[in-house]
Amino acid sequence: KAGVTQTPRYLIKTRGQQVTLSCSPISGHRSVSWYQQTPGQGLQFLFEYFSETQRNKGNFPGRFSGRQFSNSRSEMNVSTLELGDSALYLCASSLAGTGTEAFFGQGTRLTVV
Amino acid sequence: KQEVTQIPAALSVPEGENLVLNCSFTDSAIYNLQWFRQDPGKGLTSLLLIQSSQREQTSGRLNASLDKSSGRSTLYIAASQPGDSATYLCAVKESGANNLFFGTGTRLTVIP
Repeated sequence: KAGVTQTPRYLIKTRGQQVTLSCSPISGHRSVSWYQQTPGQGLQFLFEYFSETQRNKGNFPGRFSGRQFSNSRSEMNVSTLELGDSALYLCASSLAGTGTEAFFGQGTRLTVV
Repeated sequence: KQEVTQIPAALSVPEGENLVLNCSFTDSAIYNLQWFRQDPGKGLTSLLLIQSSQREQTSGRLNASLDKSSGRSTLYIAASQPGDSATYLCAVKESGANNLFFGTGTRLTVIP
């Protein structure tokens, strides 16, 4: 069965712009989480969506937002981009409960210039 | 706040060796622990998931153990191969939440 799909794979944006990243979870998975990976901070949790509702949120500024659609696909948006937002953004999907295994997509590499 | 540490940060071994990667976490109230592999510039591949009630899990040449009370997990790789070269990450999920706390990873190089 198909894995977690993230689009686009690569993005180059200018400071001040905004960007939208997309994540399609594994079929049947209702929970989608987003993570930011940078060389300095490692992998950090952004937020989790379940049944179109944000269930949990990490410690990121309000410029980072997300949403989930009725088919469980999720988007995350970053407004007013800063150079420090350059990172690999990873999406993870899991069935529903908190004890289930997380499966990750290939990520979107965002470069802010 | 949960903190996850992985030692060593990097490891280089000749092909065929058995090796152990270490992971420690500060808060033992975890729901499960997951080991991942990441190739350069790629996403994470799940290797093993250990629930808090379990002591170990095995998949092929991989064996992961969990000692929740002491806040430790190990990933044992038997008969290492060059294709095992990657960064290995451990992550814990706390009770009542669905987000993962990640370690900084161990970069493994297996020399042919």
